[in-house]
Amino acid sequence: DAKTTQPTSMDCAEGRAANLPCNHSTISGNEYVYWYRQIHSQGPQYIIHGLKNNETNEMASLIITEDRKSSTLILPHATLRDTAVYYCIVRVASSGGSNYKLTFGKGTLLTVNP
Amino acid sequence: GAVVSQHPSRVICKSGTSVKIECRSLDFQATTMFWYRQFPKQSLMLMATSNEGSKATYEQGVEKDKFLINHASLTLSTLTVTSAHPEDSSFYICSARNVRGGFFGPGTRLTVL
Repeated sequence: DAKTTQPTSMDCAEGRAANLPCNHSTISGNEYVYWYRQIHSQGPQYIIHGLKNNETNEMASLIITEDRKSSTLILPHATLRDTAVYYCIVRVASSGGSNYKLTFGKGTLLTVNP
Repeated sequence: GAVVSQHPSRVICKSGTSVKIECRSLDFQATTMFWYRQFPKQSLMLMATSNEGSKATYEQGVEKDKFLINHASLTLSTLTVTSAHPEDSSFYICSARNVRGGFFGPGTRLTVL
């Protein structure tokens, strides 16, 4: 799977949008971009994923550049509970099976400040 | 969303003992389960992948005889840390998945004295 690069840490003011960047310059055409987050001492939580188009759900928006070499996760109104390590992961699209691996990098520690 | 549970959430044991950690998918059948471990201030490292009814596939550097994985049903996988030593102290996390997606458990904190 393609390697990802994320900033080590970021700060964000409560109520403001948090924009977390991720570089995946070696991504292949059949690789998805996934975002997970891990609050301290908990298991990872799925946030969102996409292939080419921008995606939005109740948690966040995912903006993928046209060349797909980078993406940005947007938390529109960050709260204190959004403080966590955010992981950007790329993985090969499977044919519908469940055997694909998720390889976690170091992620970005987002700290939301009051 | 789907729920994955782990038991126990925290365990402290003496060096040399074996510890079993359970991972259950509570409201879906998981064709594949994954076991990760996470040392302090580090990322999750995949240990092994297991499919129901078959032997687990271990990642390079993970001793299969030390970390025994059983995936006897579509809702339960167990990880047994045999003859645990202080260096095995870590946060162990499972992930349960089917073709529709996957979810992570809350993790088990193992401390070996």
